[in-house]
Amino acid sequence: ETGVTQSPTHLIKTRGQQVTLRCSSQSGHNTVSWYQQALGQGPQFIFQYYREEENGRGNFPPRFSGLQFPNYSSELNVNALELDDSALYLCASSRGTVGDTQYFGPGTRLTVL
Amino acid sequence: GEDVEQSLFLSVREGDSSVINCTYTDSSSTYLYWYKQEPGAGLQLLTYIFSNMDMKQDQRLTVLLNKKDKHLSLRIADTQTGDSAIYFCAESIPGGGNKLTFGTGTQLKVEL
Repeated sequence: ETGVTQSPTHLIKTRGQQVTLRCSSQSGHNTVSWYQQALGQGPQFIFQYYREEENGRGNFPPRFSGLQFPNYSSELNVNALELDDSALYLCASSRGTVGDTQYFGPGTRLTVL
Repeated sequence: GEDVEQSLFLSVREGDSSVINCTYTDSSSTYLYWYKQEPGAGLQLLTYIFSNMDMKQDQRLTVLLNKKDKHLSLRIADTQTGDSAIYFCAESIPGGGNKLTFGTGTQLKVEL
């Protein structure tokens, strides 16, 4: 158990819809990173939030957006869902940014029909 | 550029040692990690090594880093059936946030 929680566990949406995924970071951690893991692949970095500001972004379109709250929990929002967005979405929290170990939550399985 | 490669599959007998290999391309990597993922689950951190180290041992796990060849390996001694999972290596590169770049994962199957 890492202390990182995610909700919901599973989600089914249809193309064009919007989705919000949530993550609570481990106590004492102020940084949250989001990753997308397609079936049979390694996780791909979406973006990172540090003290409520975006602190790095991977190669994902603007319809992937996020927020971090004062308690360091975070949301991932995806607009205009596409079939290829079906994946396991993982969040990870860390104490800081560079060099700090990231601890992962159990993930949210998103299926887009 | 950033690219992390792993072999896709490894099968070992229970009690043997397993060696999972990984190559990476970015020489500015600061930390290199090994994560374990069981079916339907998130990633469990197993161990990590700082880029100025050659070796790290943690109970049954030994990590070897050859920075010249950009090669990382994870040795699991006395492999058990509970070690069956997918193992990911990941590199952390300074700049652009504490982004981890993962390999495609090696599926380890432990047979009786």
